[in-house]
Amino acid sequence: NAGVTQTPKFRVLKTGQSMTLLCAQDMNHEYMYWYRQDPGMGLRLIHYSVGEGTTAKGEVPDGYNVSRLKKQNFLLGLESAAPSQTSVYFCASSYPHALMNTEAFFGQGTRLTVV
Amino acid sequence: RKEVEQDPGPFNVPEGATVAFNCTYSNSASQSFFWYRQDCRKEPKLLMSVYSSGNEDGRFTAQLNRASQYISLLIRDSKLSDSATYLCVVIHSSASKIIFGSGTRLSIRP
Repeated sequence: NAGVTQTPKFRVLKTGQSMTLLCAQDMNHEYMYWYRQDPGMGLRLIHYSVGEGTTAKGEVPDGYNVSRLKKQNFLLGLESAAPSQTSVYFCASSYPHALMNTEAFFGQGTRLTVV
Repeated sequence: RKEVEQDPGPFNVPEGATVAFNCTYSNSASQSFFWYRQDCRKEPKLLMSVYSSGNEDGRFTAQLNRASQYISLLIRDSKLSDSATYLCVVIHSSASKIIFGSGTRLSIRP
């Protein structure tokens, strides 16, 4: 019963370094999301995907790229990390929202610090 | 203006009190509404869906007012374990985005 798994859980990067956050879900969900959460800001949507091979921009996409090559995986990339990207990153997945009661399931988060 | 707005709190109430939060949304195309709960340093988890007719789950009651574009959450007989941040969530009918409010922090004191 893994649900949504994020790796890594913690990371410290130097400014300008790159990294990829991996999100994996085993619930056969179509939709996947990446959010960042900063104090007092709630969760802000970075990018999302409605199916394998498709991605779309959310509220704060700048500085990030994503890929959904396989249905179960959604990758978030930082090409050149900046201190402003220090945050907690959450991945989520869900069924299509035509189902009114659909629930989003979250990973446990990745705490990223850029120094 | 943010698409989903909540009073950030914190709400600090005694155990046993009744507390209510509101959340307003700006996009009239919003279709589905939820309340999530987030404990400190944990991931958000679904608390309850919000239906047009209003719905109740134990001590929790959620209501939706489409005309005024707000949803509410009422917690009766609050427990210490209710201390958390409560996130209002809105899903659009035309897009697949799940939009979160910034959360309302609730602290229940003995």
